[in-house]
Amino acid sequence: GDSVTQMEGPVTLSEEAFLTINCTYTATGYPSLFWYVQYPGEGLQLLLKATKADDKGSNKGFEATYRKETTSFHLEKGSVQVSDSAVYFCALSDPQYGNKLVFGAGTILRVKS
Amino acid sequence: EPEVTQTPSHQVTQMGQEVILRCVPISNHLYFYWYRQILGQKVEFLVSFYNNEISEKSEIFDDQFSVERPDGSNFTLKIRSTKLEDSAMYFCASSENYGDTQYFGPGTRLTVL
Repeated sequence: GDSVTQMEGPVTLSEEAFLTINCTYTATGYPSLFWYVQYPGEGLQLLLKATKADDKGSNKGFEATYRKETTSFHLEKGSVQVSDSAVYFCALSDPQYGNKLVFGAGTILRVKS
Repeated sequence: EPEVTQTPSHQVTQMGQEVILRCVPISNHLYFYWYRQILGQKVEFLVSFYNNEISEKSEIFDDQFSVERPDGSNFTLKIRSTKLEDSAMYFCASSENYGDTQYFGPGTRLTVL
């Protein structure tokens, strides 16, 4: 079945450092790809998404490009802030095979000032 | 901005008891979902619901579980006879249409003693 693999955390960075969180997927169809973020004590919030190959999703300085050839959707940000400290989840959905989201394990990001 | 709400935020129950977790999806959304996250594990899909019936369910969603939309606003998850392994964070989500972005609530932490 479909699956998502994320790099393990926690990832600890200093403020203004460059962030990459790796995400790769396995899917039988043509999935949409998502990054969700969970701030402490809150629910899952959509950060960005891409629905087809070579699409780039972006939001709040974060971006990720849907790479079909490498089945990847890595999350990047050029300069992280303390307020970016959260858990980041990569996920996919393939409407051809149902509407559910399949999540990766989540990556904890800690940003130090 | 419209949001998904969930009550209670934390529920403690004894093994074998019934629990009902409540969700109020975004008002114009047509698809509703439940997911759960056991501590330290991935967020897992449980069930999706459309037009007053289950549209998809996972292997986890066995006869112990049921969902209902008792009125025009609430969406509930019932666990008939809780087990220790049902302890998890339960997330409700909704989307406007099939394949659209899913918006999540803050979750209910269920602790089974």
